[in-house]
Amino acid sequence: AQKITQTQPGMFVQEKEAVTLDCTYDTSDPSYGLFWYKQPSSGEMIFLIYQGSYDQQNATEGRYSLNFQKARKSANLVISASQLGDSAMYFCAMTSNSGYALNFGKGTSLLVTP
Amino acid sequence: DGGITQSPKYLFRKEGQNVTLSCEQNLNHDAMYWYRQDPGQGLRLIYYSQIVNDFQKGDIAEGYSVSREKKESFPLTVTSAQKNPTAFYLCASSTQGTGLEDYGYTFGSGTRLTVV
Repeated sequence: AQKITQTQPGMFVQEKEAVTLDCTYDTSDPSYGLFWYKQPSSGEMIFLIYQGSYDQQNATEGRYSLNFQKARKSANLVISASQLGDSAMYFCAMTSNSGYALNFGKGTSLLVTP
Repeated sequence: DGGITQSPKYLFRKEGQNVTLSCEQNLNHDAMYWYRQDPGQGLRLIYYSQIVNDFQKGDIAEGYSVSREKKESFPLTVTSAQKNPTAFYLCASSTQGTGLEDYGYTFGSGTRLTVV
C-alpha cells in the first residue's frame, strides 16, 4: 500500500521569499509518479508539477521545483519568489503502475504575507 | 475546451434521502474517479472506473454507488447508508498508459454537499 505524509499542517512565508513544503512517501512499487497540486479556497485542484521515479533530474515548472530524494523517499515542493496568490492548500500525491488512482497526503496550508 | 463538468456546485439534501452527483468529461479519458474531501483533510478515493461498465471500490466506498454506462459520464450516488455525507466531492479523469507518465489527471470544480 502507498502512503503519503505531509507533516506541516500550516506554513507562513513572506512575499518574495522561497518556501519548501515537505512530502514523504512509502511504496513497494518500483515505478511510481509524484505530483503536487494547489487548491485555492474555490476548491479546484490545480496541477503544479510531476516527477517520475526514474527521472534523473528534478522536475521544474516556472517558480515550482520538486526536490526529489529517492533514497529518502521524499518529494519536497519548492516555491521560489512567493506571491500573495500562492496562498492555498498544497497536496502531494502519488500513483504507480499497479494502480492509476492518485493517493493524496493531508495537505499543507500556505499563507503568504506581505 | 475540454474539461470535466460537475453539477451542481452546491447541493442540499435532507437526511435519509439519496442524492446523485453528476460528472461529465469531454477529454476522451478512459479512467474516472470520485474523491471525497473533508475540511482540513486530503482527498480520499471513493470509486474509480478504468473502462465503461466496470468500476472498483476505493478506500471509502461504503454508502456510495456509481455507474459507468458511457465513457463521458461517471455519476456518484450518495445513499442514505452513508453516515456522514456532508463533504466536498471531486470528480477526476485521466488517460491510461503502459508506463509511468502523468496520465493527464484533470479535476472538476467540485460539488459541496450539505445534508441537513
